[in-house]
Amino acid sequence: NAGVTQTPKFQVLKTGQSMTLQCAQDMNHNSMYWYRQDPGMGLRLIYYSASEGTTDKGEVPNGYNVSRLNKREFSLRLESAAPSQTSVYFCASSVRRGDQPQHFGDGTRLSIL
Amino acid sequence: EDQVTQSPEALRLQEGESSSLNCSYTVSGLRGLFWYRQDPGKGPEFLFTLYSAGEEKEKERLKATLTKKESFLHITAPKPEDSATYLCAVDAGGTSYGKLTFGQGTILTVHP
Repeated sequence: NAGVTQTPKFQVLKTGQSMTLQCAQDMNHNSMYWYRQDPGMGLRLIYYSASEGTTDKGEVPNGYNVSRLNKREFSLRLESAAPSQTSVYFCASSVRRGDQPQHFGDGTRLSIL
Repeated sequence: EDQVTQSPEALRLQEGESSSLNCSYTVSGLRGLFWYRQDPGKGPEFLFTLYSAGEEKEKERLKATLTKKESFLHITAPKPEDSATYLCAVDAGGTSYGKLTFGQGTILTVHP
């Protein structure tokens, strides 16, 4: 049972390049989330999807787009990467919005030069 | 604005030396407070959920407690394998329903 799987695990981009981070869960959860984790900042919510077909902004959505492809998959896209988006990105899922706990993947470490 | 502050930022303990981590929160309304453990290079792993003041949860050497303004994670007789970053998060409910606001974490190191 894999839980939440994120790909890739590591990526280096140049400023201005685009990139899609992939996330899939196999727990039949309805809600999915994208966070970024920066040193000294804690995890901050970028976007979430309460259920298939819906997406909403979190605390730091600027520069990102998301797609809830189906119940299992939730992708995060950087259209024009900036050095400020260098971070570790975590995907999480829960049975439904507000139904905790959220289960996390092991992250994508993204560096933008 | 919902805020979560954890202290200390880092804590070094000897094996067997009990201590506590603090999580202070300022929210309009608390729907739930969550503790996670994060190992290097891994995602956060869920430990506890606390819903109301006075509630306590235990798991092995860990015990979480909740008051109206803060939560404590007590670690009794820690072992080196308890070394990790411990994260606290709150669900403030209302317009923030289902969204977690995280503290910056406490890095715990337990020396043998």
